[in-house]
Amino acid sequence: EAGVTQFPSHSVIEKGQTVTLRCDPISGHDNLYWYRRVMGKEIKFLLHFVKESKQDESGMPNNRFLAERTGGTYSTLKVQPAELEDSGVYFCASSQFANTGELFFGEGSRLTVL
Amino acid sequence: AQSVTQLDSQVPVFEEAPVELRCNYSSSVSVYLFWYVQYPNQGLQLLLKYLSGSTLVKGINGFEAEFNKSQTSFHLRKPSVHISDTAEYFCAVSPGTYKYIFGTGTRLKVLA
Repeated sequence: EAGVTQFPSHSVIEKGQTVTLRCDPISGHDNLYWYRRVMGKEIKFLLHFVKESKQDESGMPNNRFLAERTGGTYSTLKVQPAELEDSGVYFCASSQFANTGELFFGEGSRLTVL
Repeated sequence: AQSVTQLDSQVPVFEEAPVELRCNYSSSVSVYLFWYVQYPNQGLQLLLKYLSGSTLVKGINGFEAEFNKSQTSFHLRKPSVHISDTAEYFCAVSPGTYKYIFGTGTRLKVLA
């Protein structure tokens, strides 16, 4: 069974440009999450989808970040325009249930904004 | 609100020696506790979790952790480490939701 897959693994862009990160959850997992780790700091929650609906986006830093989950399958996280402080590793995770047990994480997408 | 403290940012240890990675948390409600590991160029992998029951939890790859409610700790231990255990380890808590609160991570470096 395929795990959570993320693309790209690493992206380097200039300040002001746009980047779109993609996440494919484990098949059958209705719950999808985005987390972010800024260099050297803790991994922080960004948002939670149940199928195609945003359940909780309380962790999104500002309106330059837009997350979507078309048809309840894969999800994208767009940063537009990117700023230096957006650099970090963006993790996607999925789970069958939202309130117990384990989140299954992808390898992360490393974003470097120059 | 919850918080997690991993005081050791880096821990060097010789191969076959024991290791303890420390994790302390703060919470006004009951929490679930987790240890995740990130090997180089890989995603976060669950090592072990405490949801309820026995306070000594055994995980994969010979790791174990003990939940100590009075000291609000969940330290990770392994009696004998291998080179392959070199990775970054994250402690996390959850009040029973998907909003995990992570520590800043501990880089374990196993030396030959």
